[in-house]
Amino acid sequence: ETGVTQTPRHLVMGMTNKKSLKCEQHLGHNAMYWYKQSAKKPLELMFVYNFKEQTENNSVPSRFSPECPNSSHLFLHLHTLQPEDSALYLCASSQLLGRASEQFFGPGTRLTVL
Amino acid sequence: DAKTTQPPSMDCAEGRAANLPCNHSTISGNEYVYWYRQIHSQGPQYIIHGLKNNETNEMASLIITEDRKSSTLILPHATLRDTAVYYCIVRVAEVTGYGQNFVFGPGTRLSVLP
Repeated sequence: ETGVTQTPRHLVMGMTNKKSLKCEQHLGHNAMYWYKQSAKKPLELMFVYNFKEQTENNSVPSRFSPECPNSSHLFLHLHTLQPEDSALYLCASSQLLGRASEQFFGPGTRLTVL
Repeated sequence: DAKTTQPPSMDCAEGRAANLPCNHSTISGNEYVYWYRQIHSQGPQYIIHGLKNNETNEMASLIITEDRKSSTLILPHATLRDTAVYYCIVRVAEVTGYGQNFVFGPGTRLSVLP
């Protein structure tokens, strides 16, 4: 596998379910990001991790819980979501947070909350 | 908020050059201009970035005006596969604090027509 991978690619869950999104990067990068893209809206940055430490949280509700066990893996744990949380969730990585000339994005997870 | 203004949509004939404009009149001296594109339901893809000199790579050329208040992304020979949403983003090259990461606006939806 190369680049940034995300699993699952599609997820349907009920409001009482607990699920997790997984992101893995094979680029040797040290910074990882979660973005949310709702229908017909721009990408919104959710979380930033630099060397496994969370450095940014853009006022994301607590029903979204990120986890970064190492520089290659990033998870987004989901619980008691709302239908308005249905969106494309994108993971990205960059070499260094400080001098990130470009971010590499994964294909995304299409989440539907019923 | 995004610091750039782009037309919401553009059409381009296949094989012709696509010129995508971007206004960034409040750009700071230490901010770069980045371009990404997003093909339907995929993760964004980095295209090019620059500070004040014109830049060219295998994908595109970036022309930045002398006063740096606007720029143009040029796809020299557009193909149907270039149909996507194109995002122009201004950002510092070295992220040193909160809120300095990429902010995606609505972008320009480019349709390459056969």
